[in-house]
Amino acid sequence: GDSVTQMEGPVTLSEEAFLTINCTYTATGYPSLFWYVQYPGEGLQLLLKATKADDKGSNKGFEATYRKETTSFHLEKGSVQVSDSAVYFCALSVTSGTYKYIFGTGTRLKVLA
Amino acid sequence: EAGVVQSPRYKIIEKKQPVAFWCNPISGHNTLYWYRQNLGQGPELLIRYENEEAVDDSQLPKDRFSAERLKGVDSTLKIQPAELGDSAVYLCASSPGGGPTDTQYFGPGTRLTVL
Repeated sequence: GDSVTQMEGPVTLSEEAFLTINCTYTATGYPSLFWYVQYPGEGLQLLLKATKADDKGSNKGFEATYRKETTSFHLEKGSVQVSDSAVYFCALSVTSGTYKYIFGTGTRLKVLA
Repeated sequence: EAGVVQSPRYKIIEKKQPVAFWCNPISGHNTLYWYRQNLGQGPELLIRYENEEAVDDSQLPKDRFSAERLKGVDSTLKIQPAELGDSAVYLCASSPGGGPTDTQYFGPGTRLTVL
């Protein structure tokens, strides 16, 4: 069935370090892919998305490229800040007969000053 | 622009009691979603509305859960009776349309604790 697998956390980095959070998916049909972020005490909010293969989503210095050949949508940022500390969720949506919107389990990122 | 509003933010009840959660979506958003998020997990879709019609409720435990969206705006999710395993955060989200590429806008959630 359709699913999203993302790397387990927590991920702890020093400020200005490079960030990668891995996300792979399994889906029938042609999914759209999303990264949502949940800051402490706040609701989930969209960080970026990509709706077709080879699309690159970007926002706030974060990037992710929709790789159909490797069924991946890894999140990257070149230089993290303390304010990036949050939980990051990879998600997919697909309509193949029925509508599905599936989230990964989330990866907690902690950035140290 | 006001975001998705949910109430209450926290609820503690005894098992077998009923509980209800309320959601007011962003104005003009036709699609409304209810999710359940267990501790350490991602949200799981319970039900999706297009205007006042429930178009996907396949993951809603219908023996104890019910939902309604009157006049295609506000929505209520009810559990009766609650069980210990229902302890979770219940999230409401809305989007302008219901397509698979649409961005969903989430409320802050209601944290339910069943004792």
